[in-house]
Amino acid sequence: EADIYQTPRYLVIGTGKKITLECSQTMGHDKMYWYQQDPGMELHLIHYSYGVNSTEKGDLSSESTVSRIRTEHFPLTLESARPSHTSQYLCASRPTGTGNSPLHFGNGTRLTVT
Amino acid sequence: TQLLEQSPQFLSIQEGENLTVYCNSSSVFSSLQWYRQEPGEGPVLLVTVVTGGEVKKLKRLTFQFGDARKDSSLHITAAQPGDTGLYLCAGDSGYSTLTFGKGTMLLVSP
Repeated sequence: EADIYQTPRYLVIGTGKKITLECSQTMGHDKMYWYQQDPGMELHLIHYSYGVNSTEKGDLSSESTVSRIRTEHFPLTLESARPSHTSQYLCASRPTGTGNSPLHFGNGTRLTVT
Repeated sequence: TQLLEQSPQFLSIQEGENLTVYCNSSSVFSSLQWYRQEPGEGPVLLVTVVTGGEVKKLKRLTFQFGDARKDSSLHITAAQPGDTGLYLCAGDSGYSTLTFGKGTMLLVSP
């Protein structure tokens, strides 16, 4: 069963459009993450959050922004989509303070920018 | 920057064969996690190994954590088509983020 939800599952959009990818989790986890992944390839961390009002940039240089106003919600926004943004975007969460806790992933949003 | 080298990158085998996937690093991790990802879905945790030298078994899958907690392996016995997927190792060094390997794409043909 999915406790972390991503919408939309698929999105095709034109260059220059602003888009927001939604991610919500019902587990009360403090830490949340956004990864970018090309099919069958490695995960690249683009943003993460320790909790409400906390956001950090990951390893991959990105033209995206995130916000964390509520514990359960961690949306990712692309101000101006480009074909190079075409990829799968995965959201994940994990609890704080439980040591060695695993990441719980959503099923991703597959974005195509034409 | 911590790195996890995962090998092989791609593996295509016949049903019934055995295989081993390796995950190596020069860094020490407090634990190491293995995930499997099927097409169109997010990765799902298979196992977490914590203690150096630890061996964990999950049906036909055997996971081992190196004595120095720098490397790990995943061995699959008698692979089945249902084992097909992307296998990812991830090292936890106690910070907020995990270090992921590049993944091993496994294809098991009937």
